[in-house]
Amino acid sequence: DAGVIQSPRHEVTEMGQEVTLRCKPISGHNSLFWYRQTMMRGLELLIYFNNNVPIDDSGMPEDRFSAKMPNASFSTLKIQPSEPRDSAVYFCASSWGQVSNQPQHFGDGTRLSIL
Amino acid sequence: AQKITQTQPGMFVQEKEAVTLDCTYDTSDQSYGLFWYKQPSSGEMIFLIYQGSYDEQNATEGRYSLNFQKARKSANLVISASQLGDSAMYFCAMREGSQGAQKLVFGQGTRLTINP
Repeated sequence: DAGVIQSPRHEVTEMGQEVTLRCKPISGHNSLFWYRQTMMRGLELLIYFNNNVPIDDSGMPEDRFSAKMPNASFSTLKIQPSEPRDSAVYFCASSWGQVSNQPQHFGDGTRLSIL
Repeated sequence: AQKITQTQPGMFVQEKEAVTLDCTYDTSDQSYGLFWYKQPSSGEMIFLIYQGSYDEQNATEGRYSLNFQKARKSANLVISASQLGDSAMYFCAMREGSQGAQKLVFGQGTRLTINP
């Protein structure tokens, strides 16, 4: 079975540019999560969706960040304008949210570098 | 306050020895779940094992087991017969609340190095 698919795997762009990260969750999963991992702050939850609806976006750093889930098989995380401090690994994860013991399955991440 | 505390930033263990990675948590909820993930140097996050707060027995998955001490609020991961491929970062995470509350909070991780 296909796991969570993220694209691109690596992104290098200049400060001020718009960045769009993409995620395809595991088929049948109804919860989707966006995380950011840095050395300083570890793994932080940015936002999560249940049944395509954003449930908790309290981890989104600021208005420059936005996330959408237009359907059950696709989500985007957008940063506009990007800044060097946004450099991190961004993970998407999905799970079957109705059962409490179900783990979140992670994609391979997008390594983002803002110059 | 930290919800998940992993006190060992790094550990070095000889191959074939057992290793225990510590995790303590802080919650006032009665219903919660604890997860362990492995992150090798390649970067992916791999789910290892789960323990629910109402589970009466310690969880086991192959060489992984969880030493769950509810009164002490600890959920230590035990890896038996360690292998070189076990070298990685290990993260403890907690989900609070009942079904539908899916937020996971992660600890800072422990970097495990297995020496030949």
